[in-house]
Amino acid sequence: EVQLLESGGGFVQPGGSLRLSCATSGFTFSNYAMNWVRQAPGKGLEWVSTISDSAVYIYYADSVKGRFTVSRDNSKNTLYLHMNSLRAEDTAVYYCAKEIRNTNWGPGYWGQGTLVTVSS
Amino acid sequence: QSALTQPASVSGSPGQSITISCTGTSSDVGAYNHVSWYQQHPGKAPKLMIYDVNNRASGVSYRFSGSKSGSTASLSISGLQAEDEADYYCSSYTRSSTWVFGGGTKLTVL
Repeated sequence: EVQLLESGGGFVQPGGSLRLSCATSGFTFSNYAMNWVRQAPGKGLEWVSTISDSAVYIYYADSVKGRFTVSRDNSKNTLYLHMNSLRAEDTAVYYCAKEIRNTNWGPGYWGQGTLVTVSS
Repeated sequence: QSALTQPASVSGSPGQSITISCTGTSSDVGAYNHVSWYQQHPGKAPKLMIYDVNNRASGVSYRFSGSKSGSTASLSISGLQAEDEADYYCSSYTRSSTWVFGGGTKLTVL
């Protein structure tokens, strides 16, 4: 059974940093692209980043480019999102999601999410 | 990248059929067949329902179907059931090698 478990969320002041983790099991992590998607309270979904299976290809939304860094450790079956220079508008539930299939790297199976709150 | 356009809400009675539209541009929906639809119940994570325009994800009921014409994709649900009441989001791959979501549609089963 595929399992994705996000952690690392919490309360942080504007300008601060946070690292999210997504621990996975139930599939061969190193064979799949992964995504981060966020959802502000009461709002819709916003794609954040995609990283290919070997981390050769990495893509970011304009809203986080230069501030967020996605990475993965295939030996630990874990995906990361390093978030710097956080702003109030980064407040959201952050979901990690496994690719749909090898020809479609979009979000397929999703974790339950971790809440990040940026406030002074 | 602007969000795809979805109606804010749709409704239908049990047993009826509804359709949710998702309008993009020639740079996203109109350019690729990587259109997906997600169902999200309150307080829960999104669930993939349809991918690549018209392919049902594993375990998804045959009552759900997808289509696309030009830059507009659609999700249809037949034989509405109370459990279908949820928020629905479309998504598309874009020419910028990114993904974009629609603003979401709240489905109410009357």
